[in-house]
Amino acid sequence: EAQVTQNPRYLITVTGKKLTVTCSQNMNHEYMSWYRQDPGLGLRQIYYSMNVEVTDKGDVPEGYKVSRKEKRNFPLILESPSPNQTSLYFCATPVGLDTGELFFGEGSRLTVL
Amino acid sequence: AQSVTQLGSHVSVSEGALVLLRCNYSSSVPPYLFWYVQYPNQGLQLLLKYTSAATLVKGINGFEAEFKKSETSFHLTKPSAHMSDAAEYFCAVSELTAGNMLTFGGGTRLMVKP
Repeated sequence: EAQVTQNPRYLITVTGKKLTVTCSQNMNHEYMSWYRQDPGLGLRQIYYSMNVEVTDKGDVPEGYKVSRKEKRNFPLILESPSPNQTSLYFCATPVGLDTGELFFGEGSRLTVL
Repeated sequence: AQSVTQLGSHVSVSEGALVLLRCNYSSSVPPYLFWYVQYPNQGLQLLLKYTSAATLVKGINGFEAEFKKSETSFHLTKPSAHMSDAAEYFCAVSELTAGNMLTFGGGTRLMVKP
């Protein structure tokens, strides 16, 4: 069964305390991406990766880092979280080639106090 | 740059009534268009997609959407709402750029009254 697994699903943290949200996919896909969802704004892309060691910024990359050392994993790193990064985060990978359709993980709800 | 506008952040209908969720997009090239649904505390699930084939697209759970190029619209409809349709709905557009990015609208929360 195709899966995109994110951890943690819920996290409350404090300003400045580094955290990592992990994402793992079992579809052997080259492309992975991260989105954040905020009320009234829909989902916005943070970073994406076309393949191992290849990453690029999306629309809202400030305050985030990513790494892609293995094809299946694409962690999202918040080096110094701030309250404006309180959001719902989704990892995604494409369904098929050149369809534009994305398969999403179940989301990680992050609260930064 | 592409953009997506969903008219109405909240829509309320009675059970059995027509559901109409509006979506307008701007795109410099023929787009791929999507509707995703998000049930409470869940991820996003694809409802339907338009990929330049038939302009009337049928999706899951009785939903359909019509691509109207002249109006740059892709409105989502369902003839008869069910309580289980209560969720947030997102319209999205893709131009199949290198980043394979989907641009989302702000979302519409559908409430269904008994």
